Amino acid sequence: DSGVTQTPKHLITATGQRVTLRCSPRSGDLSVYWYQQSLDQGLQFLIQYYNGEERAKGNILERFSAQQFPDLHSELNLSSLELGDSALYFCASSGGDSLNEQFFGPGTRLTVL
Amino acid sequence: GENVEQHPSTLSVQEGDSAVIKCTYSDSASNYFPWYKQELGKRPQLIIDIRSNVGEKKDQRIAVTLNKTAKHFSLHITETQPEDSAVYFCAASTGYSTLTFGKGTMLLVSP
Repeated sequence: DSGVTQTPKHLITATGQRVTLRCSPRSGDLSVYWYQQSLDQGLQFLIQYYNGEERAKGNILERFSAQQFPDLHSELNLSSLELGDSALYFCASSGGDSLNEQFFGPGTRLTVL
Repeated sequence: GENVEQHPSTLSVQEGDSAVIKCTYSDSASNYFPWYKQELGKRPQLIIDIRSNVGEKKDQRIAVTLNKTAKHFSLHITETQPEDSAVYFCAASTGYSTLTFGKGTMLLVSP
């Protein structure tokens, strides 16, 4: 157990819908990262937050957004969902910058039908 | 931005053999290189990492080597066991940026 929690574990929804994925980092970690992992794909970095502020942006679509709250938990919002958005979404946390180990949560498996 | 290439995409070995996975990176400013192991349906877990001031690092059956001049680093697993079967990802970071991952290597260890 990495100490990073994600909810829900599974999510099934329809095209055009909007969903919210939730992540709680390890106690004391200030950075939260979101990754998308599609079938046969590697880990695609989406976005990073550090202590409530957006720190870095990767290949995140405009339909996706995220935020980190004062208690450091983070939410990833996915809207106007398409079939191609079906994937595993991982959250990771670290104590500081990316030179520190990133601890991954168990992931949320999103299926868009 | 950083680009990380990883080879091979699949690797099959017999139990007890060694396995080597290689990665190259493009940004000469990268100075942190972790390796993650991901079992089917599970989260990626860090197995070893190396920083640019070190050429090699070992942890029991696992070792990582780094050649900064050539901009490549490798994962070596000796005396492979069936439980080593998983997908392995390399990554690189400059420290001021996030991790860029390779596409992964599926390692299959046959008993």
